Amino acid sequence: GAVVSQHPSRVICKSGTSVKIECRSLDFQATTMFWYRQFPKQSLMLMATSNEGSKATYEQGVEKDKFLINHASLTLSTLTVTSAHPEDSSFYICSARAHSGTYEQYFGPGTRLTVT
Amino acid sequence: AQSVSQHNHHVILSEAASLELGCNYSYGGTVNLFWYVQYPGQHLQLLLKYFSGDPLVKGIKGFEAEFIKSKFSFNLRKPSVQWSDTAEYFCAVIFYNQGGKLIFGQGTELSVKP
Repeated sequence: GAVVSQHPSRVICKSGTSVKIECRSLDFQATTMFWYRQFPKQSLMLMATSNEGSKATYEQGVEKDKFLINHASLTLSTLTVTSAHPEDSSFYICSARAHSGTYEQYFGPGTRLTVT
Repeated sequence: AQSVSQHNHHVILSEAASLELGCNYSYGGTVNLFWYVQYPGQHLQLLLKYFSGDPLVKGIKGFEAEFIKSKFSFNLRKPSVQWSDTAEYFCAVIFYNQGGKLIFGQGTELSVKP
């Protein structure tokens, strides 16, 4: 149980275009989902927290207009990287927290974005 | 803000050597503690977790960790490493006083020589 999927697993896009990444909780309802970013040889940095049906909360330094997050249902959150640039190339990982008594998060497999 | 610190950036061991990776967190009241592993080119996997109870936690692949509350530490151990343990290891902490936000340490790269 507690499986989280991400789609696509890899994406290459041209500079200036937008890319949407989906995060789904497959066997549980996730009231809260999180988006992380990981640069090569570095740790995971929390970008934003999204709660179903409300606006996402972004961490300091993360551009809200560039990284659009939507959490339209209890099983789906999306991250859209708008007007992507090469410096946005990174590994994007989502996690989901079940509607339960713990704060444990379940991680997706990640999406590798390359902007050319 | 709460933080998580991993002391070792890169550890190099020979097969069969014992492993201990340090992890400390800043004081923050109630916490949940995790160790994750990321093999080269792969996604994050949970090794073990601590929520409450016995402070010595056993995880997958022969790993264990001990929560020492007085030292704000959660060190990861394995008595005998294998070449296949070569990976990046992340300590992560949920701080309840930050709304359950999960904070990651910087990570420790483990290289095991065959």
